[in-house]
Amino acid sequence: QVQLVQSGAEVKKPGASVKVSCKASGYTFTSYDINWVRQATGQGLEWMGWMNPNSGNTGYAQKFQGRVTMTRNTSISTAYMELSSLRSEDTAVYYCARKSISGSGWYPFDYWGQGTLVTVSS
Amino acid sequence: EIVLTQSPGTLSLSPGERATLSCRTSQSVSSSYLAWYQQKPGQSPRLLIYGASSRATGIPDRFSGSGSGTDFTLTINGLEPEDFAVYYCQQYGTSPRTFGQGTKVEIK
Repeated sequence: QVQLVQSGAEVKKPGASVKVSCKASGYTFTSYDINWVRQATGQGLEWMGWMNPNSGNTGYAQKFQGRVTMTRNTSISTAYMELSSLRSEDTAVYYCARKSISGSGWYPFDYWGQGTLVTVSS
Repeated sequence: EIVLTQSPGTLSLSPGERATLSCRTSQSVSSSYLAWYQQKPGQSPRLLIYGASSRATGIPDRFSGSGSGTDFTLTINGLEPEDFAVYYCQQYGTSPRTFGQGTKVEIK
């Protein structure tokens, strides 16, 4: 069965960086884009960007341009999201989510990781 | 950026009743690239509807989606206890993919 398993909770100081991992199993990792979505406590969902695990191509929401980097290691079927220059407003649960159809095109997200809580506090 | 506005913010209903949730977009959503997700406390979102009206795999037929252009609706016919949750709409036809702010369906 398809699974996305994320790394554990992180506590970071303002100005630091955090790197969250998302390990995929149960399907061909390189065939489906991975997206990253975050959710502040009690708030809605915010899309951060996508990555094609095959090519490494990425696309980021303008809000995060310059601060976010999405990468992958295909040998271990793992995607990464690194966010830099952290501030308190970045405190949130970060989710990876798989695009539901392989290849190009616009599709929703069918499988989600369990979420990783990132807390930014001095 | 396409802004999605969901209404109402909270819907208080009893089990067995019908829930009607609205999602309006600031621009027309191309080819009905509109999805609905359900999220329960402490859980990840779950895809319910895509393409405005197609049910995702394993979703019961009491969930239905409709609409086009800028006005979309999620209907839940005969609320079950497990349906009380927060529902989000999402447009995925343009970047950035944006979500509505959510509608909470709570037990009356």
